[in-house]
Amino acid sequence: EVQLVESGGGLVQPGGSLRLSCVASGFTFSTYWMSWVRQAPGKGLEWVANIGQDGSDRYYVDSVKGRFTISRDNGKNSLYLQMNSLRAEDTAVYYCARDQTEAVDHYMDVWGKGTTVSVSS
Amino acid sequence: QLVLTQSPSASASLGASVKLTCTLSSGHSSYAIAWHQQQPEKGPRYLMRLKSDGSHTKGDGIPDRFSGSSSGAERYLTISSLQSEDEADYYCQTWQVFGGGTKLTVL
Repeated sequence: EVQLVESGGGLVQPGGSLRLSCVASGFTFSTYWMSWVRQAPGKGLEWVANIGQDGSDRYYVDSVKGRFTISRDNGKNSLYLQMNSLRAEDTAVYYCARDQTEAVDHYMDVWGKGTTVSVSS
Repeated sequence: QLVLTQSPSASASLGASVKLTCTLSSGHSSYAIAWHQQQPEKGPRYLMRLKSDGSHTKGDGIPDRFSGSSSGAERYLTISSLQSEDEADYYCQTWQVFGGGTKLTVL
């Protein structure tokens, strides 16, 4: 069964840090782009960052550039999101997602259940 | 700039059909999109990939009641024989962009 399981969320004070993890199973992790997507309370889905198969290509939404770092360990089938200098507006459920890249098509086709990050004093 | 536009809400009766729309911004009408369903208090679920020619590939276990079609820059998700569990938010997505979502109410 194809599966993504996130962990690492929690309550953190503004300015603090958290590291999210996502463990993949049921597919060859190293051959896929991977993304982090978040959803603030009562809001829609927002792409946060993605990373290429070997980790050399990384992209971020403007609001997290310089504060968040996406990374992966293909030997451990794991995806990470290091979040520093956290702000209240980073409060959200964070989802790990598998990217499908087919020629010019690029879309997400597998989702984890999410991990909740709350930034508050 | 790539933008996906969805109506905020839609409603239809139990057992009826509904057609949701996602519109690609100018210059991007050839892009494929994905449709995702998010039931209340749950994470997103991939429904299908939908190409500009209307061909679509559904995810594992997605019922035949869900289908997709395309016309120009418009991408459609049709749900037939509506059931109560279809009440959810539906998002279209391509590359790093999501539509704003459509909240579907089953009456």
